Amino acid sequence: EDKVVQSPLSLVVHEGDTVTLNCSYEVTNFRSLLWYKQEKKAPTFLFMLTSSGIEKKSGRLSSILDKKELFSILNITATQTGDSAVYLCAVPAEANRDDKIIFGKGTRLHILP
Amino acid sequence: DGGITQSPKYLFRKEGQNVTLSCEQNLNHDAMYWYRQDPGQGLRLIYYSQIVNDFQKGDIAEGYSVSREKKESFPLTVTSAQKNPTAFYLCASSPSARFPGANVLTFGAGSRLTVL
Repeated sequence: EDKVVQSPLSLVVHEGDTVTLNCSYEVTNFRSLLWYKQEKKAPTFLFMLTSSGIEKKSGRLSSILDKKELFSILNITATQTGDSAVYLCAVPAEANRDDKIIFGKGTRLHILP
Repeated sequence: DGGITQSPKYLFRKEGQNVTLSCEQNLNHDAMYWYRQDPGQGLRLIYYSQIVNDFQKGDIAEGYSVSREKKESFPLTVTSAQKNPTAFYLCASSPSARFPGANVLTFGAGSRLTVL
């Protein structure tokens, strides 16, 4: 069965701390892994990873994929209160002749001022 | 501006009633998806469609129905058979679900359904 597992499910840290969010997966015919940030309603796209060991970086956020161990991490350095959100990991899974995109349960991150 | 429009934003229904949630996109995307989000559950896939007049069940399709008569539109009907319909519903689209680089989803703002 295809699945995406995120950890931790919830995390509370102080502003300025560095956090690491984890995403492990088991899917048929893996092609890519995506990270999204959901603050209130619509998730917004952060990164798409397709190759192992190549770090994607955007400001204080970075992410990397390990296709051998089947996981990805999302790092946030020097956290700010605006980083408080649910971070979602998603992986497209092959299903019959179509693809469906499977999400993990998300990590709820709360940054204390 | 291109994007996805979901309506209504909030909806209340009595038990036993069917309701239809609208999802329209002007991004010219081939693939469209419906997800349900409950607290602590992440996003669970209800239905998805890669092409007009074709759609596939997701992981929690029971009690829901969809149609894809036009590329731009993918309405979701929550039927009275859905035992626990109170939830936040998100519609999304992508250029295609099959090719790397085309998997990135664009989401609508969501519809919150409450059954009284």
